[in-house]
Amino acid sequence: EAQVTQNPRYLITVTGKKLTVTCSQNMNHEYMSWYRQDPGLGLRQIYYSMNVEVTDKGDVPEGYKVSRKEKRNFPLILESPSPNQTSLYFCASSFPSGVSSYNEQFFGPGTRLTVL
Amino acid sequence: EDQVTQSPEALRLQEGESSSLNCSYTVSGLRGLFWYRQDPGKGPEFLFTLYSAGEEKEKERLKATLTKKESFLHITAPKPEDSATYLCAVQSGGSYIPTFGRGTSLIVHP
Repeated sequence: EAQVTQNPRYLITVTGKKLTVTCSQNMNHEYMSWYRQDPGLGLRQIYYSMNVEVTDKGDVPEGYKVSRKEKRNFPLILESPSPNQTSLYFCASSFPSGVSSYNEQFFGPGTRLTVL
Repeated sequence: EDQVTQSPEALRLQEGESSSLNCSYTVSGLRGLFWYRQDPGKGPEFLFTLYSAGEEKEKERLKATLTKKESFLHITAPKPEDSATYLCAVQSGGSYIPTFGRGTSLIVHP
């Protein structure tokens, strides 16, 4: 089954404790991205990756890091989480056939993060 | 700065009662306008991409249309399973980063 998986699905942590949210896709997609979704603000892109070893900032990259060492994996790293990073996080991927189709994305099920 | 405004925020319909959702946008050179459906507790699911004014796309009871300032998602004879939040996003020329609206929450009562 074609899918994007994220782990963990739920996480409660404390301020300053480094954490990693994993994302993996089994569709051989080149493009992957991370979003956060907050009430009243909608989805906002954190980082994206056009391919292995190619990453770039989205609209809200502060406080986050990513890496793309393999095509299928795109982990999101919070080195020193703070309460304002409490949010619902989504990983997404696509196989673009043109410049516009990058945003025809498959989304993962989400990771709900709470930072105390 | 790209902007996307969706209206209404919430919409309640009776089964079979057709209606439309609106997505107004301002963007510097539209590269694409995207519609997604999001069910509670799940990630968004891609529905349509529209590229230029006058374009229309259909899928089952959904039809998306595009003008130079807005897009409509028409829902014909909706069923309870169409209940979801519908998200609109735009991509402007020269950027890969999409700008999403806040969504319209649709509830269809049997």
